[in-house]
Amino acid sequence: AQTVTQSQPEMSVQEAETVTLSCTYDTSESDYYLFWYKQPPSRQMILVIRQEAYKQQNATENRFSVNFQKAAKSFSLKISDSQLGDAAMYFCAYRRGRTYKYIFGTGTRLKVLA
Amino acid sequence: DADVTQTPRNRITKTGKRIMLECSQTKGHDRMYWYRQDPGLGLRLIYYSFDVKDINKGEISDGYSVSRQAQAKFSLSLESAIPNQTALYFCATSDLTGWQETQYFGPGTRLLVL
Repeated sequence: AQTVTQSQPEMSVQEAETVTLSCTYDTSESDYYLFWYKQPPSRQMILVIRQEAYKQQNATENRFSVNFQKAAKSFSLKISDSQLGDAAMYFCAYRRGRTYKYIFGTGTRLKVLA
Repeated sequence: DADVTQTPRNRITKTGKRIMLECSQTKGHDRMYWYRQDPGLGLRLIYYSFDVKDINKGEISDGYSVSRQAQAKFSLSLESAIPNQTALYFCATSDLTGWQETQYFGPGTRLLVL
């Protein structure tokens, strides 16, 4: 069975600094997708970034980028130039191929210090 | 206007009561989902629907039922609420665009069962 592990329950970063959130997953599949979702205090789940397993190039979205290590089954999120609005719970998620089922990690709470 | 809306946003009910959580979307997506989020855990899938006539159980469907009244509406019911159903409930939609299906979440409903 596929699993997603986020080993950092909480992280802190100084405003304008860079922080990396870790995520590892376990799967025997070759076709899958990985996601990072942000959940601010408003509770809404917001897609931050998506990575297709068949792509070697790491995905980037403005200040957000990932380090996708397929062999190591690692998918970390790097937030550059951290802003106060980045403070939220971040969830890593896995989806196998063209299936409906997402598997979410337990989340990492990010605090941004002014 | 929000693409995925949920009502109510917050609800307190008593053990044994029937309660319905509603979800509406304006994204025109065929697929809709209901998730539950508990503290310290990731999201877990309750039910999902690929179209109006296609409804399926997720990993934790016991104690819940759903109704897909239209493409845009997907309701979750707790027939007889119990305290361990206290949680944050999310509705999500997705549109399988090529290989890049992405889920879009509503703002969540916080449910407290006394």
